Amino acid sequence: EAEVAQSPRYKITEKSQAVAFWCDPISGHATLYWYRQILGQGPELLVQFQDESVVDDSQLPKDRFSAERLKGVDSTLKIQPAELGDSAMYLCASSGLASGRSGGETQYFGPGTRLLVL
Amino acid sequence: QKEVEQNSGPLSVPEGAIASLNCTYSDRVSQSFFWYRQYSGKSPELIMSIYSNGDKEDGRFTAQLNKASQYVSLLIRDSQPSDSATYLCAVKRTSYDKVIFGPGTSLSVIP
Repeated sequence: EAEVAQSPRYKITEKSQAVAFWCDPISGHATLYWYRQILGQGPELLVQFQDESVVDDSQLPKDRFSAERLKGVDSTLKIQPAELGDSAMYLCASSGLASGRSGGETQYFGPGTRLLVL
Repeated sequence: QKEVEQNSGPLSVPEGAIASLNCTYSDRVSQSFFWYRQYSGKSPELIMSIYSNGDKEDGRFTAQLNKASQYVSLLIRDSQPSDSATYLCAVKRTSYDKVIFGPGTSLSVIP
């Protein structure tokens, strides 16, 4: 069964350091999402890609976060410099439109990267 | 008003009972609705999606949608301890809009 891959699974870093997360979506999925999930809350969208183009990055803290999907396949999310408040689970998801269904689209999540900033 | 609201719980039900999870949303033009299950420390996994008013059943799970009341629910029949998890309600306007997640409801099924 196809899955979304993410690495690393866990990352511990010190504040002011740079961190990077990688995501490989399900093959053929054009839409890729990066979410941040703080403990006890629902996932919050950071950035959404359609192929290699950014569709929505309104909640991405652009002074320290960057995301790219150069060839429209895998993607990298970077934080520089990391801050204590960035400690969270970073989830990648991908989706493809359900066949013949207008307004229908389901997202499949990767295992996530748990980040701890000390 | 938050865009997607859920009772945070925890909701506790005995094994074999029906668990009822509720969700309200603020954007009247929303078209797609999803329920995800998330075990502690794991990523969300899709349980059900629903797009039309009424009920949709899949095994022990039934999703109910009432667009007029802006309300979507998830019923879990014959609850099992393995159903103990956080259930996330998610709402989407159109295929090209972002998904908005609720804060989740923690469910505990007591053996």
